[in-house]
This record gives sequence, structure tokens and C-alpha cells, in this order.
Amino acid sequence: KNEVEQSPQNLTAQEGEFITINCSYSVGISALHWLQQHPGGGIVSLFMLSSGKKKHGRLIATINIQEKHSSLHITASHPRDSAVYICAVYRGGADGLTFGKGTHLIIQP
Amino acid sequence: DVKVTQSSRYLVKRTGEKVFLECVQDMDHENMFWYRQDPGLGLRLIYFSYDVKMKEKGDIPEGYSVSREKKERFSLILESASTNQTSMYLCASSRQEGAFFGQGTRLTVV
Repeated sequence: KNEVEQSPQNLTAQEGEFITINCSYSVGISALHWLQQHPGGGIVSLFMLSSGKKKHGRLIATINIQEKHSSLHITASHPRDSAVYICAVYRGGADGLTFGKGTHLIIQP
Repeated sequence: DVKVTQSSRYLVKRTGEKVFLECVQDMDHENMFWYRQDPGLGLRLIYFSYDVKMKEKGDIPEGYSVSREKKERFSLILESASTNQTSMYLCASSRQEGAFFGQGTRLTVV
């Protein structure tokens, strides 16, 4: 079983819809990242969370450490939000990140 | 601005060639990583390094080696490229929880 599970794997929505992407993990972590990758592009870190909630523009990320669960929300979605969103957890030390398989989001105009 | 730079965005090599992928970071980070990204498999760790001349195998090290002679540079080496190494390769560096990624190198082995 993958240590980091994301859902859904694929999501197509209409412009303006509220989007939620979920991430569950099974290991103890010290931080969780939400990453964004546009088609053909590099990876950009959107958020790093160790507790609570963070907001940046139309993006909101929450984490519940007890339930080992995080969500990424996009309000008023736009076609430029179309990308792969990846959840990654950091377990500490020099082990690097463990990644979910990503959620492929398409926002249609 | 933090920067992780990979030497090439696109690379085409022949089967059996020795291939070098270079990664440089300007943040004085101790930890550097090489991942490959494949459809349906996500990102998988090939090797990482937590200090100069130190290296550790990740999840899929077979067919690869690495070199870290200077803190800012981490090289991934394909000793004899094979078609199943066609992939997107991503370098990252980190200190504590923060991670920064390069733009990726799309390698095609023909």
C-alpha cells in the first residue's frame, strides 16, 4: 500500500467550481507539501503544512495530524488551475519526500 | 529567489551511452535528491545525498549512480542508458522540511 494516497486521481470541473483534492498518509510526518505541476512544466511548491490551515489567494490547504489527512481546496476555479497536484510528506531526517501519485485536474471554461 | 538548475530540459541519447544529468543549487542546502517521474507511477526516489561525497540509495537505484563532489552540485549518471530509463528526471534540494525542485530533464533513450 502506498504510504501517501491521493483522491481523486482525475478531476474535470467547470470554471468557477469549488475544488477539493484529498491526501491521506499512513506514516508519522513532520510536514506535508502540496505541489503543482503544469503540463510540461517543473514542480512548484504551493504549501508546506505541519498543522492547521494556510491560504494563498484562491488556494487553501488544511491538515489534520490526528487523522493523517490533508485537503487542498481551490475556490472560483479557473482554466489556468489545470495541472497535476501532488501531495508529499516529509518524515524527518534526510530521507526526502514521499509522494502521492498526483491528481490530474482539468478546469473547463 | 531560490534556484535549483538542471543542465538540460530535453535530452535524447542512444542505448548504451553514458549519460550525465547535472543539478546545481544556490541555497547552500545539505540535502539533494534525484527523482524520476513516470505516468501512473508518480515520483520515485533514485538517490539522495546529505553531504558532500555522501550518497544513499533511494527506491529505484538500479542502473544509476551519483556524484556529489561539491555541496552545490549533484550529478546523476546513467552508466549505460537503456530505453526503460526514458523518463522525466527531477532534482530537488532541501534543508529541514522545505524542498525546491528543478525544472526537470526529459530524457529519451532511443
